[in-house]
Amino acid sequence: GQQVMQIPQYQHVQEGEDFTTYCNSSTTLSNIQWYKQRPGGHPVFLIQLVKSGEVKKQKRLTFQFGEAKKNSSLHITATQTTDVGTYFCARVTGGGNKLTFGTGTQLKVEL
Amino acid sequence: EAGVTQSPTHLIKTRGQQATLRCSPISGHTSVYWYQQALGLGLQFLLWYDEGEERNRGNFPPRFSGRQFPNYSSELNVNALELEDSALYLCATRYQTGYNEQFFGPGTRLTVL
Repeated sequence: GQQVMQIPQYQHVQEGEDFTTYCNSSTTLSNIQWYKQRPGGHPVFLIQLVKSGEVKKQKRLTFQFGEAKKNSSLHITATQTTDVGTYFCARVTGGGNKLTFGTGTQLKVEL
Repeated sequence: EAGVTQSPTHLIKTRGQQATLRCSPISGHTSVYWYQQALGLGLQFLLWYDEGEERNRGNFPPRFSGRQFPNYSSELNVNALELEDSALYLCATRYQTGYNEQFFGPGTRLTVL
């Protein structure tokens, strides 16, 4: 099937360290979305990437879409305890009507 | 503006029973999506409703069903509950066309004993 794999599954970092999660697809993605789910919470939309090679920044978060539109990454600079949670990428299909979520990366930040 | 609301927050049922979960969208949102988040299995797409009709369903058996009402709220029904149906059920809504972001509700935690 058209799966979206994310690595790593888990990541422990010390506060202040950087963090990166990668999202890989076996097929070309029309666009990709990123969501964050805090422990005990629900997914919250972060960003959508559409163009090949696109890079978008939100403060300490940098999102990239691969040139071949088969992979994406989320990089957090100088992590803080507020960054704790699970980060999901999601491929968008069906004219925007269906999201297929990646397996998620759970981030823990220690002081 | 109120966000997506879901009820109940928690639901405990026994095997073989039926569960009904409810979702109210953000005002102006016409599409409702249901997802299952079971421990260790990530977010699995269940159903999509738009304008009162089921538009797409994920890889789930027919005992998972639902409907969308004229006010765009939605119900998810799970019949003949099985232990593995225990999960967090999330509802998400969005504007009908052109804008792909989905807004999630807080979820209903279903426990099947």
